[in-house]
Order: sequence, then structure tokens, then C-alpha cells
Amino acid sequence: QVQLVQSGAEVKKTGASVKVSCKASGYSFTTDYLHWVRQAPGQGLEWVGIVNPSGGTTSYAQKFQVRVTMTRDTSTSTVYMELSSLRSEDTAVYYCARGLSGYVYYFDYWGQGTLVTVSS
Amino acid sequence: EIVLTQSPATLSLSPGERATLSCRASQSISSYLAWYQQKPGQAPRLLIYDASNRATGIPARFSGSGSGTDFTLTISSLEPEDFAVYYCQQRSNGLTFGGGTKVEIK
Repeated sequence: QVQLVQSGAEVKKTGASVKVSCKASGYSFTTDYLHWVRQAPGQGLEWVGIVNPSGGTTSYAQKFQVRVTMTRDTSTSTVYMELSSLRSEDTAVYYCARGLSGYVYYFDYWGQGTLVTVSS
Repeated sequence: EIVLTQSPATLSLSPGERATLSCRASQSISSYLAWYQQKPGQAPRLLIYDASNRATGIPARFSGSGSGTDFTLTISSLEPEDFAVYYCQQRSNGLTFGGGTKVEIK
């Protein structure tokens, strides 16, 4: 079965960077796009960006353009999201999610989430 | 950016009742809309995509309708496990989510 397993919770200082991983299994890794979506405590969902596991191409929400980098490692079926210059507003649960085959921009499988806490 | 406005913010209903959730887009998004369900401490779950297509494994009591700017998610008869927060999401121009509707037990 399809599984997306994310790395554990992180606590970072303001201004630092964080790198979250998402290991995919149960399907062909290079077939479907993977996204990152975040959710601040008690708030709604916010799309961060997308990575194509096949070619490594990426597209980011304008809000995160300057600070986010998404990469992938096909040898381990893992995608990564690195967010730099962290501020308190970046405190959130970060989810990786698979794009629905043939539709890309809907999310049919989600990771368990990674809580990133930013404090001074 | 396309803004999605969900209403009501909270819906208080009893099991067995019909739930009608609304999502309105700030401009036309054709049928490029999805609905998700999220329970506390869990990741969202895809229910409906392209406005009216049920995702794999989703019960028939969930249905979606609408196009352009006005969309509806209907749960025909609420089961105890349906009490959760529901989000709409558009993919027509960029990707944005609505603010959510909480369906709570009355």
C-alpha cells in the first residue's frame, strides 16, 4: 500500500533552517508528483510547493519562493523540503502529499506530518 | 490569488441528518475543486475531486456539486465518524484552500 513516512519533529531557532524528509513506498516513486502542505496550529492548510520525483523539477508558492528548496533522491524514494530563515510564523505541521495520478494538484495520500517549532 | 470562502464556519448537526457545506471562489475555477476531511491529529483525506468525483474508497453518502464559483459538499446522512473539519481546495490558478467548516455533534 502507498505510504509516505516523514521525519520527526524539529525545534529550531529563529533564522535557522530546517530540512524535512518524506520517504515514499508502495508505488513507483517517479510516477507521481509530491507536494508539501503546511498547517499552523489551529489553522487551515497552505500549499508550499511541488517536486517532480522523475526529473527533480520544482514549483513553489510565491510566498515561499526565496526560502524553500525541494529535492529528491530516487535511490531512496525520498523527497526533502528545506525552509530557511525561519521565523515564528513558520511553526506548523508540514505534510508531504502525493498528487493524484492524472490530476497532479489534488492530494490522494498524505504523510503523517512533521511538527516544526520555531522559537527565539 | 483565488480566495475560497467556506460557510458556515461551524455546522452543528445530529447523526443521521443531512449536511450541506458551501465553498465560494473569488473568481471562476471551472470544476477544479476538491474536498478534504480532517480529523484532529490526522492528515487530511481526499473525498471529492474535480467538484463531483468521489475519491477511491469514499462512501456514497458524500457527494459534491457545482461549477464556476459556487460549490457544495453534501453528506446525505451523517455517521458518527463524519464529524470533522472539511476543506475545499482549488487548482485552477495556483493552489489555495478554503478556511474550513467544522461539522460538530449537536
